[in-house]
Amino acid sequence: DQQVKQNSPSLSVQEGRISILNCDYTNSMFDYFLWYKKYPAEGPTFLISISSIKDKNEDGRFTVFLNKSAKHLSLHIVPSQPGDSAVYFCAAWGLKSGAGSYQLTFGKGTKLSVIP
Amino acid sequence: EPEVTQTPSHQVTQMGQEVILRCVPISNHLYFYWYRQILGQKVEFLVSFYNNEISEKSEIFDDQFSVERPDGSNFTLKIRSTKLEDSAMYFCASRIETVGGEKLFFGSGTQLSVL
Repeated sequence: DQQVKQNSPSLSVQEGRISILNCDYTNSMFDYFLWYKKYPAEGPTFLISISSIKDKNEDGRFTVFLNKSAKHLSLHIVPSQPGDSAVYFCAAWGLKSGAGSYQLTFGKGTKLSVIP
Repeated sequence: EPEVTQTPSHQVTQMGQEVILRCVPISNHLYFYWYRQILGQKVEFLVSFYNNEISEKSEIFDDQFSVERPDGSNFTLKIRSTKLEDSAMYFCASRIETVGGEKLFFGSGTQLSVL
């Protein structure tokens, strides 16, 4: 069951332009959302998060938007830099359907390539 | 900045052998996790550990798996008899209990290859 979905496995963006990574979720019990960045041969690194009571959170070049009614969130990176090239995972924290407990559930990830 | 450390970074083993993956979580964290990522697939939850006991485990975490916190710093994942399908990158993670504790800090992973 894919409770967190990242439908774009890859994205290519020119340096300096905006990168928009999308994530959809199906479980209305999720109440906290996180984006992680992962380089090859490294563990996921926390990037930015948003609580379900907010619709936007900004940290430097990174902004996360949450649309609860659509069960959709997005990560905007502007301007994009070559060092941003990595796999980005959307993750949702909350009571997982069928599990009866709080868990962090990951999407499959989107590989971002920023072209110089 | 404190970090979660994992050893070894790579582990190659024969099918049927036991492996122990080691992790040192961040010192003031109270919740500990193991996740894994099979090549090309998503990061999957295996088990969570709190107050010296398993608090939740996934269907992947069967009787071949066990976790232990043998002392105040280490957190280990043991696979008793490895199978080919256990080949994956295994990530340890930890978090604090207080406000902001939703953020998991991950180690750099152990790449397990079962031959």
